[in-house]
Amino acid sequence: DTGVSQNPRHKITKRGQNVTFRCDPISEHNRLYWYRQTLGQGPEFLTYFQNEAQLEKSRLLSDRFSAERPKGSFSTLEIQRTEQGDSAMYLCASERGGGYSGANVLTFGAGSRLTVL
Amino acid sequence: GENVEQHPSTLSVQEGDSAVIKCTYSDSASNYFPWYKQELGKGPQLIIDIRSNVGEKKDQRIAVTLNKTAKHFSLHITETQPEDSAVYFCAASSHDMRFGAGTRLTVKP
Repeated sequence: DTGVSQNPRHKITKRGQNVTFRCDPISEHNRLYWYRQTLGQGPEFLTYFQNEAQLEKSRLLSDRFSAERPKGSFSTLEIQRTEQGDSAMYLCASERGGGYSGANVLTFGAGSRLTVL
Repeated sequence: GENVEQHPSTLSVQEGDSAVIKCTYSDSASNYFPWYKQELGKGPQLIIDIRSNVGEKKDQRIAVTLNKTAKHFSLHITETQPEDSAVYFCAASSHDMRFGAGTRLTVKP
């Protein structure tokens, strides 16, 4: 495992449908982050996990969004009743937290691009 | 929360020239400042970072400077090459990481 893996890379869906994205972090990394990136903007923080615990959620994460990391390994981000404004790149990043050398260093996946028609 | 401002939004330089991108941050508790390079269709990749106990760091053609008092930090790329063309993001982190809006760098051959 040499990096962060995200699937699917691209999802096209109709407004109102539900979508789910998966992130597989670097195996020894205990922190996992979700960011959203729209065209011409930097990544915007959505939420992060320390192991299986979801420690922080942005106000950007409406009640239609839910993220899980059930066993402290992979994570899923689900968007229910998608809207056109949800169209964006959803980036996952992982970090080996806990005071190790390299703390705070995020490694990003290639992202999952969502297009809502 | 943290707010990161980045300038310029676009930058075009001739191959071999230097490029400088500047960022400011608002949260004095931020202690880690990475720079990411993002190419089309890819996620951001870390190119250099600096922590708040250091004022300057250099790695070959790239360097970063940090002024904690003024709450600003800068990326310097020397001897630019066409493959340096990409979008560059600064970020600041205290307990979570916030990004600037990005700078699209174009290096003309």
